[in-house]
Amino acid sequence: EAGVAQSPRYKIIEKRQSVAFWCNPISGHATLYWYQQILGQGPKLLIQFQNNGVVDDSQLPKDRFSAERLKGVDSTLKIQPAKLEDSAVYLCASRAPGNYGYTFGSGTRLTVV
Amino acid sequence: QKEVEQNSGPLSVPEGAIASLNCTYSDRGSQSFFWYRQYSGKSPELIMSIYSNGDKEDGRFTAQLNKASQYVSLLIRDSQPSDSATYLCAGGDSGYALNFGKGTSLLVTP
Repeated sequence: EAGVAQSPRYKIIEKRQSVAFWCNPISGHATLYWYQQILGQGPKLLIQFQNNGVVDDSQLPKDRFSAERLKGVDSTLKIQPAKLEDSAVYLCASRAPGNYGYTFGSGTRLTVV
Repeated sequence: QKEVEQNSGPLSVPEGAIASLNCTYSDRGSQSFFWYRQYSGKSPELIMSIYSNGDKEDGRFTAQLNKASQYVSLLIRDSQPSDSATYLCAGGDSGYALNFGKGTSLLVTP
């Protein structure tokens, strides 16, 4: 089966600019997650979707981050405006029904300068 | 706060030895636990899952869970240089997102 697709792989932007990341989960995976992984740390949940509904966005900095999952398939994560501390790898993951293990995409490495 | 704690390492073991990685968690509601391997510059890869107290073996890997002590471990037998990576412990409740530890860096020396 095809894995979780993410794009772009790398992005360099200046602070205060905006950026968007895209994720396409494994077909049939209703649950989709966005995680932020800062260098040297474990992944930190930003948002969890079940189909096109939000299950948990308690750790999403809503003043600058937004995410959507239209039609319950693809998802986009946006940052506007970006700060230096947003430099991290943004990981998308999906999970099959009844299986609690995630499959991660290859991630997007964001550098804010 | 649902914490998953890991020693960041690095843990250095010689080739062929057993590597022992440990993890503790604070949320007693967590039911499922996972070990992910993450090579430098790559995304995490699921290597083991465990849901019940006791041991679960898969090839050279054994996961151990003790819910009373809120403790999870991963043993890697016959360690190989290719096992050198960061190992992430994660736990969570059914239907909810996983909480990850910071990871333990493992170095297997030839």
